Amino acid sequence: GQNIDQPTEMTATEGAIVQINCTYQTSGFNGLFWYQQHAGEAPTFLSYNVLDGLEEKGRFSSFLSRSKGYSYLLLKELQMKDSASDLCAVRRLNNAGNMLTFGGGTRLMVKP
Amino acid sequence: DSGVTQTPKHLITATGQRVTLRCSPRSGDLSVYWYQQSLDQGLQFLIQYYNGEERAKGNILERFSAQQFPDLHSELNLSSLELGDSALYFCASSPLLPGGMRGYTFGSGTRLTVV
Repeated sequence: GQNIDQPTEMTATEGAIVQINCTYQTSGFNGLFWYQQHAGEAPTFLSYNVLDGLEEKGRFSSFLSRSKGYSYLLLKELQMKDSASDLCAVRRLNNAGNMLTFGGGTRLMVKP
Repeated sequence: DSGVTQTPKHLITATGQRVTLRCSPRSGDLSVYWYQQSLDQGLQFLIQYYNGEERAKGNILERFSAQQFPDLHSELNLSSLELGDSALYFCASSPLLPGGMRGYTFGSGTRLTVV
């Protein structure tokens, strides 16, 4: 089976930086994704890591350590529109193909 | 527009009834996944289809069933509906094979309200 853990909620101030951690346990690891979901809307792709290290994409960065089963999503220069749930998802190589398992999501609240 | 189409967007029905949710995957994607998301909860995986065949099953109730048709669209059937079935139901699609940064593409969801 798989375990994916991330904090339930986080609060940060507009303009600040926030780091959302995700730990996972899985066999056949084949990539880690971060999705963002605004209330009542579909999740949208934010970032992807399959090798160790940092991937940067504008205000968003994501880090992966496969040996530690650990990832984080870093959001810089927070804006009010970043208030959303950020979902960590692990892809596992098995006979079901391209299969993602999602964590419970971290609800990020950005305050003025 | 993500390329994944779900209909209807909203559905209100009474307890005990049966409904069908429809999903058309992104062009070229052969895999379809169904998820349930209750209020303020995470995404719960229900079932996966690939090219018409069931590939993986999650916590799907026996009252729920799904299928994927030759044109690759999928339907999720929910029967004997209960109040607790009220939720957002998302469909996602992907290429079958793993690899690369292409994960899932989600549809905009169907909001089901059981009264």
